[in-house]
Amino acid sequence: EAQVTQNPRYLITVTGKKLTVTCSQNMNHEYMSWYRQDPGLGLRQIYYSMNVEVTDKGDVPEGYKVSRKEKRNFPLILESPSPNQTSLYFCASSPPGGFGYTFGSGTRLTVV
Amino acid sequence: GQNIDQPTEMTATEGAIVQINCTYQTSGFNGLFWYQQHAGEAPTFLSYNVLDGLEEKGRFSSFLSRSKGYSYLLLKELQMKDSASYLCAVNYQLIWGAGTKLIIKP
Repeated sequence: EAQVTQNPRYLITVTGKKLTVTCSQNMNHEYMSWYRQDPGLGLRQIYYSMNVEVTDKGDVPEGYKVSRKEKRNFPLILESPSPNQTSLYFCASSPPGGFGYTFGSGTRLTVV
Repeated sequence: GQNIDQPTEMTATEGAIVQINCTYQTSGFNGLFWYQQHAGEAPTFLSYNVLDGLEEKGRFSSFLSRSKGYSYLLLKELQMKDSASYLCAVNYQLIWGAGTKLIIKP
């Protein structure tokens, strides 16, 4: 089944404790992206990747890092999480041309 | 600046038709996407418009006017399962509206 797999689904952590949210897709998509979704604000892009070893900042990259060492994986790293990073996070992938993302199931992160 | 506007919430009756509007202001335009998102779930792709006009796909249709910076999503024969948020996005999904929560009443 074609899908984007995100883990974990839920995570509660403390301020300053490094964490990684994993994202993997099995569709051989070049384009992958991370978003956060907050009430009333819609989806905001954090980082995106056009292909292996090619990443770039989206609208809200501060406090986040990504890597794209393999085509299928695109982890999101929070080196020192803060409470304002409490949010719902989505990973997504698409083929070239930007047609129709496939989204992961989401990760609800709470930083206390 | 770049932004997308959608109504926050709409209510419609089962079996009826509803039109959800989206207006956008962007520097450049590469196409407009509509997604459906049920509460607590991931968005799912509905449609993509890059040229002016109406694209029909079953009960759902999407319209685009590039000169007016305007799109709408038309849902016909509404079903209870259509209760969801509908998200509008432009330019390879870099810019998103906050979404329209659609409530369907029996």
